[in-house]
Amino acid sequence: EVQLVESGGGVVRPGGSLRLSCAASGFTFDDYGLSWVRQAPGKGLEWVSGIKWNGGSTGYADSVRGRFTISRDNAKNSLYLQMNSLRAEDTALYHCARDSFGDYGKLLDVWGKGTTVIVSS
Amino acid sequence: QSALTQPASVSGSPGQSITISCTGTSSDVGGYIYVSWYQHHPGNLPKLLLYDVSDRPSGVSNRFSGSKSGNTASLTISGLQAEDEADYYCSSYTSSSTAVFGTGTRVTVL
Repeated sequence: EVQLVESGGGVVRPGGSLRLSCAASGFTFDDYGLSWVRQAPGKGLEWVSGIKWNGGSTGYADSVRGRFTISRDNAKNSLYLQMNSLRAEDTALYHCARDSFGDYGKLLDVWGKGTTVIVSS
Repeated sequence: QSALTQPASVSGSPGQSITISCTGTSSDVGGYIYVSWYQHHPGNLPKLLLYDVSDRPSGVSNRFSGSKSGNTASLTISGLQAEDEADYYCSSYTSSSTAVFGTGTRVTVL
């Protein structure tokens, strides 16, 4: 079964950091690009970041560029999102998603259930 | 990198057809075939309905179809069913090598 399982969410104070992880199984991990997508309470979907199959190219939404860093470890079938300088507006459910073959930003066909990040003092 | 513009809500009766628009710019929707559509029932995971403007993944009903003209993409749901009541989002690749979602459309089956 193709599966993505996120972890690492929690409650953090403004200005703090968190590292999200996403463990993949059931498919050839390094064949695909991957993305992080978030949904704030009562809001729509927001694409956050993406990474190509080999980590050689990454992209970020303007709202997180310079604060978040996406990375992957193909040997561990894992995706990560390092989130620094967190703000209240980063509060959301964060999903990792399988993107297109080799690339990111094109289509998201497998989604994890998500991990919740709450930024609050 | 503004969100793509979708109508907030669209409604229709069972059996009818409805169309949801998704308007961007020449730097996203108008510039690439990489437009995708997602169905999201609250509490469930988003589901990929269409990719590359009009291609359907295996298992997606042919009642869902897509098209694009200029900077606007469209999702048409034919033979509307009660189970189609959900939120729908478009997404596009952008010239900044990022992706952007639409504002989302709530579909109501009357």
